[in-house]
This record gives sequence, C-alpha cells and structure tokens, in this order.
Amino acid sequence: DGGITQSPKYLFRKEGQNVTLSCEQNLNHDAMYWYRQDPGQGLRLIYYSQIVNDFQKGDIAEGYSVSREKKESFPLTVTSAQKNPTAFYLCASTPDKNTEAFFGQGTRLTVV
Amino acid sequence: ILNVEQSPQSLHVQEGDSTNFTCSFPSSNFYALHWYRWETAKSPEALFVMTLNGDEKKKGRISATLNTKEGYSYLYIKGSQPEDSATYLCALADSGYSTLTFGKGTMLLVSP
Repeated sequence: DGGITQSPKYLFRKEGQNVTLSCEQNLNHDAMYWYRQDPGQGLRLIYYSQIVNDFQKGDIAEGYSVSREKKESFPLTVTSAQKNPTAFYLCASTPDKNTEAFFGQGTRLTVV
Repeated sequence: ILNVEQSPQSLHVQEGDSTNFTCSFPSSNFYALHWYRWETAKSPEALFVMTLNGDEKKKGRISATLNTKEGYSYLYIKGSQPEDSATYLCALADSGYSTLTFGKGTMLLVSP
C-alpha cells in the first residue's frame, strides 16, 4: 500500500546524543515536511524539501538537520544543540500545490 | 510566521448534536485552506482543500465553507457520532505554497 512510514514510533535519547528519525514515502511525492507538536501547540514546521537535494528551514529549524538524497526519504536528525527535543514529530508529503498533505503516524521522542 | 487561529479549543457534544468550528487566517497572500481530521493514535487525514472564496465542500455529514476576503472558514458536522471524536486541524497555504501553517486544532469529543 502507498503511504508514509515513520520509524521508530517511540524513541528515547540521552542528553547530548544525536538521534535520527526516519521518514519514507512510496507515493512519488516531490515535497516532504517535518513538523513538531508540543502539548497545547499546533504543528510547527521544522524543515521542508520540495525536490531531491534541496531543503529549506522552517519556523523552528535550530538544533535540527535534514537530508534529501532520495525522493522517497527525508530523515530528520535531532542534534544535541536542540535544547528541548522531547516532542511528537510528524512527517508529511504532498504531490503538488492543489492537493492535500499525507502524514506518517509520528515518532514520539523522549530525552532521558 | 502566519497566524492561523482555531476556535473553540475543545468541544464536548452529545451524539446527534450538530456542531461547527472556526478557522481564522490572514486574508492577504491566500492560496488554499486545508482541513484535516486527526484521530488518536492515527495519522492526520485530509477532509477538504479549499481555494475559492465562497467555496462549499461536503463529505458525508461534514461540510466546510470558505471566506477568503474576511479570512475565515467554518467546518460543520451534522448529527455528530462518537466516531467523529478527533482533533480537527485547519492549515493555510500562502500564495507561494511552500508550506502549510497549522492552527492548534479543535478537539471534539462526542458522547454516546
């Protein structure tokens, strides 16, 4: 079935460690996005990519990095520079401007 | 950062009640308004993508209207059912449509 797969579903990280969240899609979509959700907040954009080998910072990019080496994959690295990384992370993709976004099921990251 | 506001923040209704939510957004640089339903432990799913002022869309018991001149959209649910319980998100695509800016959502609980 076509869709977006995020892994893992739950992730625990020690302070000071980098961790990478996976996002893979087989929908042949050009654009991919990473959002973060905190309690009481809306989804906030971290990074997005509209084409392979190109990506742009969103509203809260500090402490995060991404790559887009393949159309299907858009991994997000949460670095030790991210001061408050505990959150729920959602990946999404869209085929074009006139259609809806498709979402993964999310990864809940907890720093211990 | 665009400001997308949703109200109410949460809503508790009885089965069979009809209800509606509001999404407000800046009307300048409007491109599209999206509505999503996000059930617990699932991925957000698109309900509607609306682009034209005066647009009305319907899917079963759920409908939405759009006023781009005054910057608001209403989502209506007729005869709410317990399975309608979810968080309803609206998101604004601006004229560049590089990204979607989400509101904080309206959490709906429908009691049998």
